[in-house]
Amino acid sequence: IQLTQSPSFLSAYVGDTVTLTCRASQGIGYYLAWYQQKPGKAPKLVFDAASPLQSGVPSRFSGSGSGTEFTLTITSLQPEDFASYYCQQHSIYPITFGPGTKVEIK
Amino acid sequence: EVQLVESGGGLLQPGRSLRLSCEASGFTFGDNAMHWVRQRPGGGLDWVSGISWDGSKTGYGDSVKGRSTISRDNAKNSLFLQMDSLRPEDTALYYCVRGQGTVLVSWGQGIMVIVSS
Repeated sequence: IQLTQSPSFLSAYVGDTVTLTCRASQGIGYYLAWYQQKPGKAPKLVFDAASPLQSGVPSRFSGSGSGTEFTLTITSLQPEDFASYYCQQHSIYPITFGPGTKVEIK
Repeated sequence: EVQLVESGGGLLQPGRSLRLSCEASGFTFGDNAMHWVRQRPGGGLDWVSGISWDGSKTGYGDSVKGRSTISRDNAKNSLFLQMDSLRPEDTALYYCVRGQGTVLVSWGQGIMVIVSS
């Protein structure tokens, strides 16, 4: 299953609300997760469509979608949110990731 | 606190074999699926392999299928990845990851593997 993400790059201000999109080449139900990765650090799970409540993740992160189209919304961007974001389908093996969206400070 | 510590990386020649290990602590290892994910320098994430809690089910990414074996030792809280016929494109940071099934919930810091002659 191929995943595409848009945009590839996003420039925004602190306080903005941004929406990242992930599309799957075939239906995956709700089996789509989002990961945040900061430079030099391991990725971190921020949202799973199949299990939306993740402990320790700020409530400004929210997700939606099912089937082939999914979004991750970050409300009121904070300085620590500037990072790369990857979507991942976990419907069937092999697990696949999208190419990522880099969110940078404007 | 969940800790995943990878070892076994380094500089290897093309065609050789690699055995990565991951020592887990801070959770009940035998209750969790485990995975290996890699990231090439400057690149995105690439799922390498996964194994169920009891080792009965395994899966592999297309780029390593047929030349890799994932295994685990629940008594020693350890995960392993054997990769044969190494290629330069296997050069990457390899992460050991705890799964809730196929959701990747806890990541190690990664171990670098460089394949070069």
